[in-house]
Amino acid sequence: QQQVKQSPQSLIVQKGGISIINCAYENTAFDYFPWYQQFPGKGPALLIAIRPDVSEKKEGRFTISFNKSAKQFSLHIMDSQPGDSATYFCAASGGGATNKLIFGTGTLLAVQP
Amino acid sequence: DTAVSQTPKYLVTQMGNDKSIKCEQNLGHDTMYWYKQDSKKFLKIMFSYNNKELIINETVPNRFSPKSPDKAHLNLHINSLELGDSAVYFCASSQDGGSQPQHFGDGTRLSIL
Repeated sequence: QQQVKQSPQSLIVQKGGISIINCAYENTAFDYFPWYQQFPGKGPALLIAIRPDVSEKKEGRFTISFNKSAKQFSLHIMDSQPGDSATYFCAASGGGATNKLIFGTGTLLAVQP
Repeated sequence: DTAVSQTPKYLVTQMGNDKSIKCEQNLGHDTMYWYKQDSKKFLKIMFSYNNKELIINETVPNRFSPKSPDKAHLNLHINSLELGDSAVYFCASSQDGGSQPQHFGDGTRLSIL
């Protein structure tokens, strides 16, 4: 119940295209769903996050879509750029003060010029 | 200014040795974490401290001992290092417990020979 399932494992997108990464969870107590971006040799950096009271959040080219009834959320990267090439992690937390983030398995995105 | 800083960045050592990793955050957060990222890039929480008090202790061998001298510092000491301890260890911090954004350091790559 603590798992967050992420797909695909890897993704190749042409420059200017849309990158879509999907995640699913089981624990209905989760109340915070962040996406992290990680470049080689660096730590994960918070990209965008959503809480279950909204169905969509957009920040620049990055959008989270959230479907509470299906227990799924996804990251859309519009107009993908080579600089977006990185590993993306979805995560979830909630259900108390521990703020334990449960991470998905990661998606390696390569944006081809 | 680096928000969450870890030292050392690389640690290469022999099996059986004892080593420590240090973490400091200058964000004024009162909660700090240690995560382990394995060779498949899977991120898993190990420990969390809130105001120097241990609040998350995942199923981690007791060879791993975190220490928080104050709320801006969280160190990780590892005794009797084993081959399976080879990984990247990330420190993170957030404001309060609950579902708040976590800020990560750039990691310490531990290699056991």
